[in-house]
Amino acid sequence: QQQVKQSPQSLIVQKGGIPIINCAYENTAFDYFPWYQQFPGKGPALLIAIRPDVSEKKEGRFTISFNKSAKQFSLHIMDSQPGDSATYFCAASQFTSSGTYKYIFGTGTRLKVLA
Amino acid sequence: NAGVTQTPKFRILKIGQSMTLQCAQDMNHNYMYWYRQDPGMGLKLIYYSVGAGITDKGEVPNGYNVSRSTTEDFPLRLELAAPSQTSVYFCASRELWDRVSPLHFGNGTRLTVT
Repeated sequence: QQQVKQSPQSLIVQKGGIPIINCAYENTAFDYFPWYQQFPGKGPALLIAIRPDVSEKKEGRFTISFNKSAKQFSLHIMDSQPGDSATYFCAASQFTSSGTYKYIFGTGTRLKVLA
Repeated sequence: NAGVTQTPKFRILKIGQSMTLQCAQDMNHNYMYWYRQDPGMGLKLIYYSVGAGITDKGEVPNGYNVSRSTTEDFPLRLELAAPSQTSVYFCASRELWDRVSPLHFGNGTRLTVT
């Protein structure tokens, strides 16, 4: 059962464009929503994250928009650059019976920014 | 800082063979995780550990085993490899138990079972 649905699967934009990646979730117990960026041959790395009590968070050219009532959140990349070409994963945090938090990841979006 | 180190980078196994994927971190993190990444499927949690001697199953544990004898090491064992285990495996660690502590990933092990 896919608990975090991510779209689109792939995305191509021109340099300077604003790619938008969307995620939706069902479990209202999720309480933290990070985005990870992965370059080829590397492991994912944290890009930006948001708590559900905030509707928007910006870090540099990256913005998360969060809609709690719709159970949706999205990543916007302003003034995209070829160096932003990577795979992006959204995730949602879930508390476990072992007393730690684990992430449920989306299926990933492969972004290509054309020069 | 080495961070999270995974070995080997690549491996080809025959059906039925066994192997251990190694993971070591030098950040003194208590929490460690094994994920597999398949095309179009995202990252699926296999096993995780909240400290030495404590492990627990994730979403897709079947066919795998783990152990955590030290804080630094968290090896993943594949017994009787199957083609369905062809994947890229990532080990990760995090410093704190809370939700905001980021995952630090290794660079992965690409495994092919034929």
